Amino acid sequence: KQEVTQIPAALSVPEGENLVLNCSFTDSAIYNLQWFRQDPGKGLTSLLLIQSSQREQTSGRLNASLDKSSGRSTLYIAASQPGDSATYLCAVRDSGYSTLTFGKGTMLLVSP
Amino acid sequence: GAVVSQHPSWVICKSGTSVKIECRSLDFQATTMFWYRQFPKQSLMLMATSNEGSKATYEQGVEKDKFLINHASLTLSTLTVTSAHPEDSSFYICSADGTGGSGAKNIQYFGAGTRLSVL
Repeated sequence: KQEVTQIPAALSVPEGENLVLNCSFTDSAIYNLQWFRQDPGKGLTSLLLIQSSQREQTSGRLNASLDKSSGRSTLYIAASQPGDSATYLCAVRDSGYSTLTFGKGTMLLVSP
Repeated sequence: GAVVSQHPSWVICKSGTSVKIECRSLDFQATTMFWYRQFPKQSLMLMATSNEGSKATYEQGVEKDKFLINHASLTLSTLTVTSAHPEDSSFYICSADGTGGSGAKNIQYFGAGTRLSVL
């Protein structure tokens, strides 16, 4: 059964720092991996989707990489801002399945 | 882009009543929809997979008779929490699996969630 782990569980940084969020998964036979953002009490906002054949995806200040063979993905946030404060979730879609397996998330706080 | 609408966004009900939550894919058809539950400061836990025209597939530990799922059309799935109790209070989120067009295949699109509070 697929297991997804996110490290760190929480992160507090001053504004302007570059930071890296980590996601690891146990079964490398994945179809795609997705990073989401969730604000308190809100639904999910999809940030980046990486297909299994891709190595990375970029959107603005966000860059996500995927190393399928080692079961790892990282989300890089450049020049962090207070508005980036949220919980970031990593989810994996296994090959041949339609369900997603979520990590527990990284709670990010960016202080002014 | 693909949009999934979930309604209501917040519901408060008395213990023992039933609550229905709707999940609609607005600009694409979804043969498969999913229902998740999220407790405070926890991640999303899949409750069930809803397939259009057939019975839902429930995850282990989820009571079928308590959480009734109906997926009667290609754009609508409903979750009914029957005889709700305070322990059912949670954040419920639905998603729809894209089948093409506005909703790309093999990508789940999420609703905004429903916060259920049972008094």
